[in-house]
Amino acid sequence: AQKVTQAQTEISVVEKEDVTLDCVYETRDTTYYLFWYKQPPSGELVFLIRRNSFDEQNEISGRYSWNFQKSTSSFNFTITASQVVDSAVYFCALSEKGGSEKLVFGKGMKLTVNP
Amino acid sequence: DAMVIQNPRYQVTQFGKPVTLSCSQTLNHNVMYWYQQKSSQAPKLLFHYYDKDFNNEADTPDNFQSRRPNTSFCFLDIRSPGLGDAAMYLCATSRDNRAEQYFGPGTRLTVT
Repeated sequence: AQKVTQAQTEISVVEKEDVTLDCVYETRDTTYYLFWYKQPPSGELVFLIRRNSFDEQNEISGRYSWNFQKSTSSFNFTITASQVVDSAVYFCALSEKGGSEKLVFGKGMKLTVNP
Repeated sequence: DAMVIQNPRYQVTQFGKPVTLSCSQTLNHNVMYWYQQKSSQAPKLLFHYYDKDFNNEADTPDNFQSRRPNTSFCFLDIRSPGLGDAAMYLCATSRDNRAEQYFGPGTRLTVT
């Protein structure tokens, strides 16, 4: 069975601090996709990144970066120089067999960035 | 421009009174999903359509139904809402079953 664990439930930082959100997954498949979504207080889930299981290259997009390590089944997300607008709940998710028909979400991690 | 639109954003219904939530998309995506999200929890998939093919999750109550009359629109019907059905309902779309999902803003349902 597939499972996504976000061990941190809530983090509070001060603006400009760097923060890393942890995600550990379990799957028996060799083909799978990993995702990160952001859910601001408005409620809409915003897609941030998709990574397939065959691509372990880390990715950087502006202040966001992702570290995918198959050896530890982790897909961690780092926000550099955090801003108040980064305050949201962040979900890590997994789908198996290369299809996203069913996303298995972690429980989410609430990030609060204080000015 | 909004790509996945949900109406209304807030819906209040009475216990047992049928309610319909709507979702439309301008992305021309093949797949549309409905999720239920309760407070401080992750979204839970209720069902999805791949084109006209309906796929129900095994643990979705019979009280929940869905219709997809065309590519752009998808509806969630709750036949007899109970107090436990109060939640945020999220619609999402994806190009196909390998692509990322794009979510609408959600409809927050209150049952009185």
